[in-house]
Amino acid sequence: EDQVTQSPEALRLQEGESSSLNCSYTVSGLRGLFWYRQDPGKGPEFLFTLYSAGEEKEKERLKATLTKKESFLHITAPKPEDSATYLCAVQRTGGFKTIFGAGTRLFVKA
Amino acid sequence: EAGVAQSPRYKIIEKRQSVAFWCNPISGHATLYWYQQILGQGPKLLIQFQNNGVVDDSQLPKDRFSAERLKGVDSTLKIQPAKLEDSAVYLCASSLGRDFSYNEQFFGPGTRLTVL
Repeated sequence: EDQVTQSPEALRLQEGESSSLNCSYTVSGLRGLFWYRQDPGKGPEFLFTLYSAGEEKEKERLKATLTKKESFLHITAPKPEDSATYLCAVQRTGGFKTIFGAGTRLFVKA
Repeated sequence: EAGVAQSPRYKIIEKRQSVAFWCNPISGHATLYWYQQILGQGPKLLIQFQNNGVVDDSQLPKDRFSAERLKGVDSTLKIQPAKLEDSAVYLCASSLGRDFSYNEQFFGPGTRLTVL
């Protein structure tokens, strides 16, 4: 069964304290992996798509990496405005369904 | 560019009542998605349309949920009758196409449903 597991469930950081969020997945064949950001009361906002192991993408303080079994979202020198829930999702080959993890709630304190 | 529009933003109903949600996707987006997001969980896909045809509804509780996409544009999601466990945020999203290269999904603000 296709599964996406994110850890930790919640992460509290001080401003400037870099860290990583983990997304491990089990799918029969990976077509691609997505990262989204979700603020309270809003819909998810697209961040990255990763297609193959070894791929990396960056946007401001965020960097996403992909291996054959997991993806990491690295946050460098976070600011309070980075506080949000970060969602990971996968799409497998042979289908079009997008499967989301439960998310990691990130809190960055000034 | 206008985003995905959803209405209403909030709805409170009694169990066994009916409710309908409306979604207007981004202009030109062929694929439309309805997700259910229960508090503390990630979104769960209910149904996916490509133009006005259904490509995946495997997780839609068809005994009580129905959805349609008129003329390949707007869409409505209906629950009849509602149960307590249907309390959730219902998210609509759209993307340019079904092909993976156009699969970046744009989400609306969601409708928060409370069933009492």
